[in-house]
Amino acid sequence: DAKTTQPPSMDCAEGRAANLPCNHSTISGNEYVYWYRQIHSQGPQYIIHGLKNNETNEMASLIITEDRKSSTLILPHATLRDTAVYYCIVRVANNAGNMLTFGGGTRLMVKP
Amino acid sequence: KAGVTQTPRYLIKTRGQQVTLSCSPISGHRSVSWYQQTPGQGLQFLFEYFSETQRNKGNFPGRFSGRQFSNSRSEMNVSTLELGDSALYLCASSLGTSGGPHEQFFGPGTRLTVL
Repeated sequence: DAKTTQPPSMDCAEGRAANLPCNHSTISGNEYVYWYRQIHSQGPQYIIHGLKNNETNEMASLIITEDRKSSTLILPHATLRDTAVYYCIVRVANNAGNMLTFGGGTRLMVKP
Repeated sequence: KAGVTQTPRYLIKTRGQQVTLSCSPISGHRSVSWYQQTPGQGLQFLFEYFSETQRNKGNFPGRFSGRQFSNSRSEMNVSTLELGDSALYLCASSLGTSGGPHEQFFGPGTRLTVL
């Protein structure tokens, strides 16, 4: 699975959009981009995933560049409850297993 | 639909003992994965079970083992505990069938402390 690079920490004002970048310059054509987050002392929570096109769900939007070498997770109106570590993961989606390789992630601090 | 449950939530053991942790996946999910989280190493994949068979294995010593039952419930066992095994052990379930991608749903974890 391709390696990802994320900034170790970011701050965001409550109510503003949080834009979390992820670099995955060695991504292969059949690899998806997944985002998970982990609120302190809880299990990670799935947020969103995508292959090529931008994706949106009730939690967030995922913007993937045309060359697929980087992506941005957008939380449109961050709240204090969004304070967490956000993990960007790139992996092949097939029936060979569900192993996730977590990097260091980005620690997002939402401030009042 | 009930989420992933893990028991026990907290556990204290001493070096040399062995421990068994349990995970009940979401109903209908056939894949169960286990992860270890420590402050130093972060989240690391231990192994995955699908239909009672180990499908993937991470880079952990043989002291770490697991199994899955016909109802998809899974257990992991750590024998001859070491201080470094103190960690949050997380279980994740997913559909696991072909034609993915399938998101994984994590349980709250079992916090193991080895004294």
